[in-house]
Amino acid sequence: KAGVTQTPRYLIKTRGQQVTLSCSPISGHRSVSWYQQTPGQGLQFLFEYFSETQRNKGNFPGRFSGRQFSNSRSEMNVSTLELGDSALYLCASSLLAGGVYNEQFFGPGTRLTVL
Amino acid sequence: AQSVTQLDSHVSVSEGTPVLLRCNYSSSYSPSLFWYVQHPNKGLQLLLKYTSAATLVKGINGFEAEFKKSETSFHLTKPSAHMSDAAEYFCVVSSYNQGGKLIFGQGTELSVKP
Repeated sequence: KAGVTQTPRYLIKTRGQQVTLSCSPISGHRSVSWYQQTPGQGLQFLFEYFSETQRNKGNFPGRFSGRQFSNSRSEMNVSTLELGDSALYLCASSLLAGGVYNEQFFGPGTRLTVL
Repeated sequence: AQSVTQLDSHVSVSEGTPVLLRCNYSSSYSPSLFWYVQHPNKGLQLLLKYTSAATLVKGINGFEAEFKKSETSFHLTKPSAHMSDAAEYFCVVSSYNQGGKLIFGQGTELSVKP
């Protein structure tokens, strides 16, 4: 089975722009979660989607949004980019809703640099 | 509220010697606990998970961890380090009322000297 794929792998944007990141989960997985990884804040939960519905959301401003499609693929969008949004954005998929008893499989991440 | 504290930001061992990475957790509910590893410029890989079954959990690549409720700890160990074990390790907690949300520790960077 193919793993979690994320596109693009690298992005360079300027302040004020917006960006869309894409995540394709493992085939058959219906839950997708997003995380932001920075040297200062570590790994922080952004949101989780299951069956096209956002089930859980972290403490990020409204500039961060996401959605999930009927094929379970997910996108996250960041509007009005700030320098502090520079980070590695990781997507994880799991078979069922909730990651407690289901392993979350992570993609390689998208490295976003905001200039 | 849940939280995870990894007690060492950096651990250095010699190849062939034991590895101990320490993790304490805080959770209002019965937690699930995980250890993930991240190699440079790579995503996260699950090493092992505890989900209220056996308290001693065996994972991949010879790693294991013991859940100790009385000490609220979930330390990761390996009897003999390999050079390929050099990476960043994350202790992670999740609980039933948080759905898919994982809460990560700050990470421990493991260096392995030849």
